[in-house]
Amino acid sequence: SQELEQSPQSLIVQEGKNLTINCTSSKTLYGLYWYKQKYGEGLIFLMMLQKGGEEKSHEKITAKLDEKKQQSSLHITASQPSHAGIYLCGADSSNAGKSTFGDGTTLTVKP
Amino acid sequence: DTAVSQTPKYLVTQMGNDKSIKCEQNLGHDTMYWYKQDSKKFLKIMFSYNNKELIINETVPNRFSPKSPDKAHLNLHINSLELGDSAVYFCASSQDTDGGTEAFFGQGTRLTVV
Repeated sequence: SQELEQSPQSLIVQEGKNLTINCTSSKTLYGLYWYKQKYGEGLIFLMMLQKGGEEKSHEKITAKLDEKKQQSSLHITASQPSHAGIYLCGADSSNAGKSTFGDGTTLTVKP
Repeated sequence: DTAVSQTPKYLVTQMGNDKSIKCEQNLGHDTMYWYKQDSKKFLKIMFSYNNKELIINETVPNRFSPKSPDKAHLNLHINSLELGDSAVYFCASSQDTDGGTEAFFGQGTRLTVV
């Protein structure tokens, strides 16, 4: 069964707007990853979070992991068309090396 | 240089055929993986190899057989292809099997069974 739930499933925003994508697990996570996928391309690693309360930023993308290590959010500030794609969260739970993934959030940014 | 490379990128084949997808990583990683991404974009792990040894084998039909000739390669062979095998298959590698290490993914192979 799927361990990670992402919301929303799809998101359409106007360029310049901020947005947030959430990833929730029913289990405590060992490590939480965010990936971006463009159509027809592979997965691009964005960030990895391991500690409760951890927050990382890269350019206009910020990811946070809550204190309980069961929920993560990905926040994009002042979105641009280049941010469009599918965002996937992945996590290691109890089984080392056996990452599971959420079902993705499709982001469309309108110019 | 491509870190994790898969070939082919696209594969269209008829039901019942046998096909292989190749994967190579030049990162010196010890662990390689195969994932299947279904039409709903859900990624599910299929196999994981560490130093040429199988360590994860999820509930995958026997028609799928991974082969790792060396730790830089993990190929996926599929026998008697079925319509439901149509998906995007991703190869990945990581330094080790411990949780918390970043996995690098290939470009994916879009398999279409007709």
